[in-house]
Parts: sequence; structure tokens; C-alpha cells
Amino acid sequence: EVQLLESGGGLVQPGGSLRLSCAASGFSFSSYAMSWVRQAPGKGLEWVSVISGSGGSTHYADSVKGRFTISRDNSKNTLYLQMDSLRAEDTAVYYCAKERGKGSDCWGQGTLVTVSS
Amino acid sequence: DIQMTQSPSSVSASVGDRVTITCRASQDISNWLAWYQQKPGKAPELLIYAASSLQSGVPSRFSGSGSGTEFTLTISSLQPEDFATYYCQQANSSFGPGTKVDIK
Repeated sequence: EVQLLESGGGLVQPGGSLRLSCAASGFSFSSYAMSWVRQAPGKGLEWVSVISGSGGSTHYADSVKGRFTISRDNSKNTLYLQMDSLRAEDTAVYYCAKERGKGSDCWGQGTLVTVSS
Repeated sequence: DIQMTQSPSSVSASVGDRVTITCRASQDISNWLAWYQQKPGKAPELLIYAASSLQSGVPSRFSGSGSGTEFTLTISSLQPEDFATYYCQQANSSFGPGTKVDIK
């Protein structure tokens, strides 16, 4: 069974940093691109970033470019999102998702990030 | 950047109704389009990928069509478990604002 389990969320002050992790199981992790998507409280879905299976290609939403870094460790079947210079508007539930090609077919349960003083 | 829009933003419907949601891209995205269903407090679930391919395990009452800049998601006969919010997404990129389907 394909499973994705996010961790690392929590309360952080504006300007602070946080690293999210997503542990994957049940599939050949290195064969699939992976994404991060977030959802602010009561709002819609916002795509954040995507990384290729090898980790050699990454893309970011303009809203996080230069502040967030996506990476992966295929030996540990784990996806990461390093978030720096956090702002109040980054407050959201962050989901990791497995890309099947032209769609994300498996999602984690999400981890809440709250940016507040 | 390519912008995604959806219409309507909400629809009230009854069980058994046919529901159609439209998604438009600001530029040609070929068939790089996915549809998701999300229920409150839950992660999204993939319904349709590559604009018109039904994800495994998704009921056949869901269908997708379109290419280029205009796409549709159709629920042929609405069931009680289909009341939810639906999002389109340019694959690996931006989402539409969502369409909430609720009970009339």
C-alpha cells in the first residue's frame, strides 16, 4: 500500500525556518516526481513545489521561490521542504503528493505550519 | 505564469443530478490537467488525470474532457458521497480556485 507521512510542522515565528519531511512507502520512490501542496485555513489548494525522481530538476511557485527548497533522499525514501524566511501567509496545512504524470495520485494526511509571533 | 479559473464557484444540486464544472487555463496546456475531490478535513483525491483518464478506483460517473484551454468535469448522477469541493490543476503547477458542490 502506498503511504506518505508528513512531519515537522509546528509553530514558528515570522522570519524563522522549518523543515518538513515526507516519508514514503509502498512504491519505488526514486521512480516518481514528488510535490508539495499547501492549503491555508479555509482556503483553496496552492501548489508549492515539485521535484523529479532523481532530484535533478525542481520548480517552485513564485510565492515561495528563493525562500523554500525542495529536496529528496532516495536512499531514505524521504522528501523534504526547507522553509526559510517564513511569513504569516505561509500558515497552512502542507501536503506531500506522489506524481503519476499529469496528476498527483497519492497524498499524505498533511502537517500544519503556523507562522505567528 | 498560467492562471486557472473554474466556474461555477459553487453549485447546489440534488442526488441524481448531472453536474458539470468548467476549468479554463490562460494558455494552452494540452492535456496537462487533473481534477481532484476534497472533503472537509481530508487530503484531496485524484479523480481524473491527463484531462480525461479516470484514476483507478474512481466511479465511472466521473468523467473529464477537453484540451488546450478549456476542460470539463462531469458527474453523471450525483451521489450523496459526491458533495465536496472540486479542484482542477495544471499538472505540476497551479490549481483552480475550487467549486463547492452542496445539497440543494
